Amino acid sequence: ELKVEQNPLFLSMQEGKNYTIYCNYSTTSDRLYWYRQDPGKSLESLFVLLSNGAVKQEGRLMASLDTKARLSTLHITAAVHDLSATYFCAVDEKANAGKSTFGDGTTLTVKP
Amino acid sequence: NAGVMQNPRHLVRRRGQEARLRCSPMKGHSHVYWYRQLPEEGLKFMVYLQKENIIDESGMPKERFSAEFPKEGPSILRIQQVVRGDSAAYFCASSNQGGYGYTFGSGTRLTVV
Repeated sequence: ELKVEQNPLFLSMQEGKNYTIYCNYSTTSDRLYWYRQDPGKSLESLFVLLSNGAVKQEGRLMASLDTKARLSTLHITAAVHDLSATYFCAVDEKANAGKSTFGDGTTLTVKP
Repeated sequence: NAGVMQNPRHLVRRRGQEARLRCSPMKGHSHVYWYRQLPEEGLKFMVYLQKENIIDESGMPKERFSAEFPKEGPSILRIQQVVRGDSAAYFCASSNQGGYGYTFGSGTRLTVV
């Protein structure tokens, strides 16, 4: 059974600081997703990572994938308050199977 | 493009009642997925449907839960004889390609009292 673990689960940062969220998964996978969820809202897709060494960046967020280590990272650069949210990684074990396994999420709070 | 539409947004049911959650996929999407999110947890896969077919229901509880995606109309997640443990947010996602490019709806928050 595929397991996905994120850490930390809670993260409090000062504005302007950098930090990294880690996502480990237990078996080989076909693709990995990062989502953002604001309280009481739906999931917003941030990144889809398809291959080993993939790196994607959008604004202050950068995601990378190491399939050999079964590890993805979400790096936050110079955090701002608007980034406060819960971030989830999710893994599809098989291509096109339509079944993602989610981590428990990292709740990020950025303080001024 | 209205996105994935779920209704109701909030649903309160007494123990033993039935809950019906609706999901209209994005225009052009024929693949629908249901997930459940308990407080402080990630989403848990429940079921994957295409029009008139259940593709994967490995995450569905064996009893009281059922899902359908008819030829016409929205996908329905039905929970019979609800219990307090069914209280959660239920999210629907859709895609135009099986198992890729998911768009999530805003969810239905079910509270069982």
